[in-house]
Amino acid sequence: NAGVTQTPKFRVLKTGQSMTLLCAQDMNHEYMYWYRQDPGMGLRLIHYSVGEGTTAKGEVPDGYNVSRLKKQNFLLGLESAAPSQTSVYFCASSYSYGGPDPSYNEQFFGPGTRLTVL
Amino acid sequence: GENVEQHPSTLSVQEGDSAVIKCTYSDSASNYFPWYKQELGKRPQLIIDIRSNVGEKKDQRIAVTLNKTAKHFSLHITETQPEDSAVYFCAANPGAGSYQLTFGKGTKLSVIP
Repeated sequence: NAGVTQTPKFRVLKTGQSMTLLCAQDMNHEYMYWYRQDPGMGLRLIHYSVGEGTTAKGEVPDGYNVSRLKKQNFLLGLESAAPSQTSVYFCASSYSYGGPDPSYNEQFFGPGTRLTVL
Repeated sequence: GENVEQHPSTLSVQEGDSAVIKCTYSDSASNYFPWYKQELGKRPQLIIDIRSNVGEKKDQRIAVTLNKTAKHFSLHITETQPEDSAVYFCAANPGAGSYQLTFGKGTKLSVIP
């Protein structure tokens, strides 16, 4: 089991360029998430998905788009990168117990992507 | 939405001493409170969690306590070791039935040998 993997590990972009970050998980998890981590700001949720074909906005969605065409993959896109999007991006996934409350589930994180926008 | 505040932002302790990190949350409907540990350059990993129907939970040297009335929860690490040095994040779900998490801003714990 590879768990949660992210591609690429590092990337440098120029302002206005676009790119896609790929997250893959092999644990058959229903839920997937994209966070950004900035110094002193903790982890902030960008977008999340509750299943194949469904996505929703998190706390800081502006400037990002996502897609979940396959259950195991969750893509994060930056259409026109800005210096404010310089950050470390983490993908995570979690499973549903199938019980009445999906809250009680551990989120498994990927290794992160360090993105710098010049 | 849910707001989670975490204190202190940095904490230094001598090896063998105890460390306590405190968090408060705003949504009285929150019912799940996990703690994640992130070592330098690594991914966050769950170390312990607590549900709202439990007041305290222990796992070896770490424990979490929850006060629902005051809407705060704390992480306690006893007999600290150098390998406990990391950034610790508390989190809360924004209401029962929600699988999303709102994270605190983190506490950098340094254990001095």
